[in-house]
Amino acid sequence: KAGVTQTPRYLIKTRGQQVTLSCSPISGHRSVSWYQQTPGQGLQFLFEYFSETQRNKGNFPGRFSGRQFSNSRSEMNVSTLELGDSALYLCASSLEGGDDTQYFGPGTRLTVL
Amino acid sequence: AQTVTQSQPEMSVQEAETVTLSCTYDTSESNYYLFWYKQPPSRQMILVIRQEAYKQQNATENRFSVNFQKAAKSFSLKISDSQLGDTAMYFCAFAEYGNKLVFGAGTILRVKS
Repeated sequence: KAGVTQTPRYLIKTRGQQVTLSCSPISGHRSVSWYQQTPGQGLQFLFEYFSETQRNKGNFPGRFSGRQFSNSRSEMNVSTLELGDSALYLCASSLEGGDDTQYFGPGTRLTVL
Repeated sequence: AQTVTQSQPEMSVQEAETVTLSCTYDTSESNYYLFWYKQPPSRQMILVIRQEAYKQQNATENRFSVNFQKAAKSFSLKISDSQLGDTAMYFCAFAEYGNKLVFGAGTILRVKS
């Protein structure tokens, strides 16, 4: 089976712009979670989607949003980018909702100038 | 809030030797899941091992094993016969309900030849 894929792998944006990141889960996986990784804050949970519904949300401002499509693919959007949004954004998928193991994609490296 | 603490920021080990990485966590729940992930320089997050809290038996995966002490809220990872390819950042993670992982700050492991 193909693993979790994320596009694009690298992205450079300027302050004030918005960005959309995409994640395709492992085939058959219905839950998709997003994490932000920075040197200062480490790995932080953004949100989780299951069956097109946001089931869980971390402590991030409303500029961070997401959605999930009927094929389980997920997108994450960040509006009005700030310098502090520069990070590695990781997507993870699991087989079904609940406490199943999450498998991670390679990440999208976002740089905000 | 749940917290995960990895008290060793960096460790090194000689090839073929054994090393143990420490992790403690804090939760009031009785049922949860614990994980060790590794993140090599490629930044791909890879699952190493998983432990379910209701299982008394410690999980093992080839050269990797854990020492799970539920009462002490401790979850250490032992790597036997260390290999150069084990060089990576290792993250301990905790999950309760749903797919929200709480990560520790990580331990950088360097395997020396």
